[in-house]
Amino acid sequence: DGGITQSPKYLFRKEGQNVTLSCEQNLNHDAMYWYRQDPGQGLRLIYYSQIVNDFQKGDIAEGYSVSREKKESFPLTVTSAQKNPTAFYLCASSLRGQGETQYFGPGTRLLVL
Amino acid sequence: LAKTTQPISMDSYEGQEVNITCSHNNIATNDYITWYQQFPSQGPRFIIQGYKTKVTNEVASLFIPADRKSSTLSLPRVSLSDTAVYYCLVGDIRRGATNKLIFGTGTLLAVQP
Repeated sequence: DGGITQSPKYLFRKEGQNVTLSCEQNLNHDAMYWYRQDPGQGLRLIYYSQIVNDFQKGDIAEGYSVSREKKESFPLTVTSAQKNPTAFYLCASSLRGQGETQYFGPGTRLLVL
Repeated sequence: LAKTTQPISMDSYEGQEVNITCSHNNIATNDYITWYQQFPSQGPRFIIQGYKTKVTNEVASLFIPADRKSSTLSLPRVSLSDTAVYYCLVGDIRRGATNKLIFGTGTLLAVQP
């Protein structure tokens, strides 16, 4: 099955810890994205990448970091610098130049203890 | 980037046709209009995309007037399972476009029996 996967589904973090959220796609898409969603809110773009070894900051990149070493993988690290990390994190991918048709993963819910 | 405005919520009953209108007064010449559907704790799912006039697929229709400053998503004969948040987005889907999308808060459609 082609698709986009995220793991884990739920993640608990202690304050001061860095955590990494996984995102993998086998759709052969060039572009990948990370969004954050807070309760009752829309999606906000954290980072996006249109090609391997290149990525751009979105609207709320502070306290987050990403890497794009492989086309199919785009992990997101939530660092201790992110003061309010509790949220629902969504990864998406799309064919380069067709950003509106994005395919989303199932999401990871991060909770800070 | 063109900003979109949608109603925060709508109510409907099973079997009715639902029309959700989105305003995008600053839409650019190369922008397309795309609608997504999101169920709780899931990633958004692409519904339909269009540039002008009318587009129809197996789940919805999209009506876009000549001035393209608004669009209407039409869901025929909704069921309880159509209860979700619906997002309207506009953006340039040409190859090499920046692909930064603004999801906004969307429209919460509540379908009642």
